[in-house]
Amino acid sequence: GAVVSQHPSRVICKSGTSVKIECRSLDFQATTMFWYRQFPKQSLMLMATSNEGSKATYEQGVEKDKFLINHASLTLSTLTVTSAHPEDSSFYICSAMKGTSTDTQYFGPGTRLTVL
Amino acid sequence: KQEVTQIPAALSVPEGENLVLNCSFTDSAIYNLQWFRQDPGKGLTSLLLIQSSQREQTSGRLNASLDKSSGRSTLYIAASQPGDSATYLCAPSNQAGTALIFGKGTTLSVSS
Repeated sequence: GAVVSQHPSRVICKSGTSVKIECRSLDFQATTMFWYRQFPKQSLMLMATSNEGSKATYEQGVEKDKFLINHASLTLSTLTVTSAHPEDSSFYICSAMKGTSTDTQYFGPGTRLTVL
Repeated sequence: KQEVTQIPAALSVPEGENLVLNCSFTDSAIYNLQWFRQDPGKGLTSLLLIQSSQREQTSGRLNASLDKSSGRSTLYIAASQPGDSATYLCAPSNQAGTALIFGKGTTLSVSS
């Protein structure tokens, strides 16, 4: 199998706080992970590409100082939303590629972030 | 820049109907294309993956076709069931090892 988990599944926080979301590949090593964001009734938009052991590559318009990504191991990538504001409320989904295979991405179940 | 359009945005059918979901993309130089299912408030379930060299893929009642030169893919669902109700997303990737580009999806409702 190829299972990707995310934690937490749902988080509510106050404006100005920071929130960390974890993405784990449970039964495979993932050299590359992707972080997407999905607003209601919208498509998934790529935020950044995370490669193990190197700095993440951010998409245009995504603030790297606000959305901190760390891919410290082959099975874990974290996304930290710093100083969260209500407009950051969204559904965050990660995906992982299995080893050297570049064909299929395996997606996590997503994290619903609500900033009050 | 790759843009993905899915038509229709929403579709309601009675149980048992065969149906077709359409996906078009602006840049035909894709590496592969995936179809996903997303249930409300949930993550993505991969349905079918078509390589750029392939014309179609089948899994059970699902059949996905790819016409790369015209920038189109279709997802055919046979004998639809209420459990098929979900949003279906089309997502090509432009290069090996790169992120997917998603359409907004087609929200399907199958009534019993």
